[in-house]
Amino acid sequence: DTEVTQTPKHLVMGMTNKKSLKCEQHMGHRAMYWYKQKAKKPPELMFVYSYEKLSINESVPSRFSPECPNSSLLNLHLHALQPEDSALYLCASSQVGQGSPLHFGNGTRLTVT
Amino acid sequence: AQSVTQLGSHVSVSEGALVLLRCNYSSSVPPYLFWYVQYPNQGLQLLLKYTTGATLVKGINGFEAEFKKSETSFHLTKPSAHMSDAAEYFCAVKDDYKLSFGAGTTVTVRA
Repeated sequence: DTEVTQTPKHLVMGMTNKKSLKCEQHMGHRAMYWYKQKAKKPPELMFVYSYEKLSINESVPSRFSPECPNSSLLNLHLHALQPEDSALYLCASSQVGQGSPLHFGNGTRLTVT
Repeated sequence: AQSVTQLGSHVSVSEGALVLLRCNYSSSVPPYLFWYVQYPNQGLQLLLKYTTGATLVKGINGFEAEFKKSETSFHLTKPSAHMSDAAEYFCAVKDDYKLSFGAGTTVTVRA
């Protein structure tokens, strides 16, 4: 069982919709991450939050808007997405520290129609 | 920037045979290295990590990896493959907050 919980597991949305992906962890981790993974590819970093503050944005388009309401929760707000944004979106968390491994959730499979 | 390269996009082994997955890193400083496994329709699970100390690292499910600075390698091995080892394997390096992955190696296990 994963200790990082992502909801929903699957999401289908139109290009004009607004939706949100949610992620929760209760391991006391103070760093949280969003990754995007296309089929047959490795995950690609999108955003990093450290102590609830955005510390890394990997030049992600503004139609993706992250939010970290508290140390346990991470959201990704989606608006006006394109079909090429269809992918598996993975949330992860870690302790703050260079050698701390990331713990991943099972992801949200997003399809944009 | 630190990076890893996985040699071989696909490895096929017989059940009971040795599993060897190759990973080379590029780093100007001592790297923090990880191996993750991904089963279909799931997230990534940590197999093992190298930070400092012992160069032979043991992980879950019978996997281990050896950090070789002279060869800039961090290859993953398992002495005897099981059908349940069929999955995608990623080598990764961490630089501050950024965890960067290799391209991945798909492992299939033949009965």
